Amino acid sequence: QQQVKQSPQSLIVQKGGIPIINCAYENTAFDYFPWYQQFPGKGPALLIAIRPDVSEKKEGRFTISFNKSAKQFSLHIMDSQPGDSATYFCAAKKGQGGKLIFGQGTELSVKP
Amino acid sequence: ETGVTQSPTHLIKTRGQQVTLRCSSQSGHNTVSWYQQALGQGPQFIFQYYREEENGRGNFPPRFSGLQFPNYSSELNVNALELDDSALYLCASSLGTGWTDEQYFGPGTRLTVT
Repeated sequence: QQQVKQSPQSLIVQKGGIPIINCAYENTAFDYFPWYQQFPGKGPALLIAIRPDVSEKKEGRFTISFNKSAKQFSLHIMDSQPGDSATYFCAAKKGQGGKLIFGQGTELSVKP
Repeated sequence: ETGVTQSPTHLIKTRGQQVTLRCSSQSGHNTVSWYQQALGQGPQFIFQYYREEENGRGNFPPRFSGLQFPNYSSELNVNALELDDSALYLCASSLGTGWTDEQYFGPGTRLTVT
């Protein structure tokens, strides 16, 4: 059962562009929504996370937009750089404990 | 402060065999979670250990088992390996099981079952 759906599967942008990755969730009990970045041969690394009582959060060039009524959230990468080329995963978690539910991932390529 | 380490890096096993994967948590972390990441997919939660006790399990059969030791290092054991068990196995450690306790992932063990 896919509880977090992520799109697009892959994305190519030019340097300086603003890639946007979208996620939709089903379980309204989810209360923590992180985004992870994964480079080949590495484990996922936390980029930024948001709680459902906040509609937007910015950290550096990364912004999460959250729409609780639509059960959707998205990641925007401002002024994207070739070094941002990686696979990005959204995830969701319910309350205490560690069971992160991941989306299927978006492979981002930023062309110089 | 050392990060999360996993061993081995790569492993090739035959169907029906058993395998043990190891994880060393980040210093000060008492919680470890294991995930399976199939090629081109997001990680899937296998189980979590908190202070040596299992603290939640995903939809994986009993042939997937684990241990956490007093120093908070951990093992993932898989019996009767199947071809579909081929994947990247990730462990993640965290300070606790709190709501926003960040999970720090290791680089993973790539398991290939032939």
